[in-house]
Amino acid sequence: AQSVTQLGSHVSVSEGALVLLRCNYSSSVPPYLFWYVQYPNQGLQLLLKYTSAATLVKGINGFEAEFKKSETSFHLTKPSAHMSDAAEYFCAVSDQGSNYKLTFGKGTLLTVNP
Amino acid sequence: NAGVTQTPKFQVLKTGQSMTLQCAQDMNHEYMSWYRQDPGMGLRLIHYSVGAGITDQGEVPNGYNVSRSTTEDFPLRLLSAAPSQTSVYFCASTGSAGNNEQFFGPGTRLTVL
Repeated sequence: AQSVTQLGSHVSVSEGALVLLRCNYSSSVPPYLFWYVQYPNQGLQLLLKYTSAATLVKGINGFEAEFKKSETSFHLTKPSAHMSDAAEYFCAVSDQGSNYKLTFGKGTLLTVNP
Repeated sequence: NAGVTQTPKFQVLKTGQSMTLQCAQDMNHEYMSWYRQDPGMGLRLIHYSVGAGITDQGEVPNGYNVSRSTTEDFPLRLLSAAPSQTSVYFCASTGSAGNNEQFFGPGTRLTVL
C-alpha cells in the first residue's frame, strides 16, 4: 500500500522568502510523484510530476521538486514566494502506469505574508 | 475544449435521498476517477474506470455506485445519502495510464442533512 505524509498542515512565509513544502512517501514499487495546487473553491492543478526520468523536476510558476529515493522524499521548493502562491498544496503518489489512482497527502496550506 | 465538467456545483440532500453527480470530459480520455475531499484528509479515491464498461473500487467505495457506458461520461450515484457523505467531490480524467497529467473538474460541494 502507498501512503504520503506532508509535514506541516500550515506553512507561513514572507513574500520573497524561500518556500519549502515537505512530502515523504511510502511505496513498495517505484512510484510516480505529483504536486498539485488548489486555490480557494477551485479544482486541482498540476504543478509538476516525477515519472522516473530526471530527479530534479521543474514545474509551473517557478516551483521545483527533487526526488530523493534514499530519503523517500519529494519536497517542493520555490526560491522566492509571491502573494499569488497562497493556496493549498497536495503531494500525491501512484504506481508507475497507474496515474489515474492517486494517493494524496493531507495537504499543506501556504500563507504568504506581505 | 471544456475539459472536465461536473454538475451540479452545489447540492443539499436529506438523509436517505438519492442523487447522481455528473461528470463529463471532452478529451477522449480512457481513464476517469472520482475523489472526495474532506478537511484535513486530502483527497481519497472512491471509484475509477479504465475504459467504457470497466470500473473498479478505490479506497472509499462504500455508499457509492458508478458506471461507464460511454468514454465521455462517468456518473457517481449515491443510493441513500448519509451525513458522512458530506464532502466536495472531484472527477478527474487522463488519457494515459502512464505519465500524463490527470485533469480535475471544478468539484461538486454536497451537504447531507
